[in-house]
Amino acid sequence: DQQVKQNSPSLSVQEGRISILNCDYTNSMFDYFLWYKKYPAEGPTFLISISSIKDKNEDGRFTVFLNKSAKHLSLHIVPSQPGDSAVYFCAASGGGSEKLVFGKGTKLTVNP
Amino acid sequence: GAVVSQHPSWVICKSGTSVKIECRSLDFQATTMFWYRQFPKQSLMLMATSNEGSKATYEQGVEKDKFLINHASLTLSTLTVTSAHPEDSSFYICSARGQLFYEQYFGPGTRLTVT
Repeated sequence: DQQVKQNSPSLSVQEGRISILNCDYTNSMFDYFLWYKKYPAEGPTFLISISSIKDKNEDGRFTVFLNKSAKHLSLHIVPSQPGDSAVYFCAASGGGSEKLVFGKGTKLTVNP
Repeated sequence: GAVVSQHPSWVICKSGTSVKIECRSLDFQATTMFWYRQFPKQSLMLMATSNEGSKATYEQGVEKDKFLINHASLTLSTLTVTSAHPEDSSFYICSARGQLFYEQYFGPGTRLTVT
């Protein structure tokens, strides 16, 4: 039972355009969501997070939107840069647990 | 700040031998560390939660006698894969919990290949 789903295994965008990565979750106990970026053979690096009490959090080129009623969150990267090419993981936590549940990731390719 | 290292970055071992992987928090103390495993094109799967000075808590389906975890200090946790088999070949990643409850800083991972 996959509690965090990233249904798009890959996404390709042009440099300068917006990248939108989506994530759905099923567990209503989740109250904190994070996005990580991962290069091959490296550990994930934290990008941005959002608490369930908010519906938007912005940090530079990265914005995360949370729609609790739809159990959906998205990561917007604008403008996209070739260096953003990586695998992006959505993760969730909640119910008092510090454990993170990860999605399968979306491979983003930003073309120059 | 918040750097986590892992050693070795890759290791090849023969079937039946044991391999130890170290996870260190370099510039902060981590009372809690986590061990994950990632198969190709799959998500990170939590194997166990390691708390300094106490026994690790293993996720369902993870053999604690096979994957021995020791968190002897606030900056070091080790994962020992005992009697390794080819199906244990994977990418193992550790993380250390930061000051915020949900904050985790990840190491660069260790690629284990069992021949």
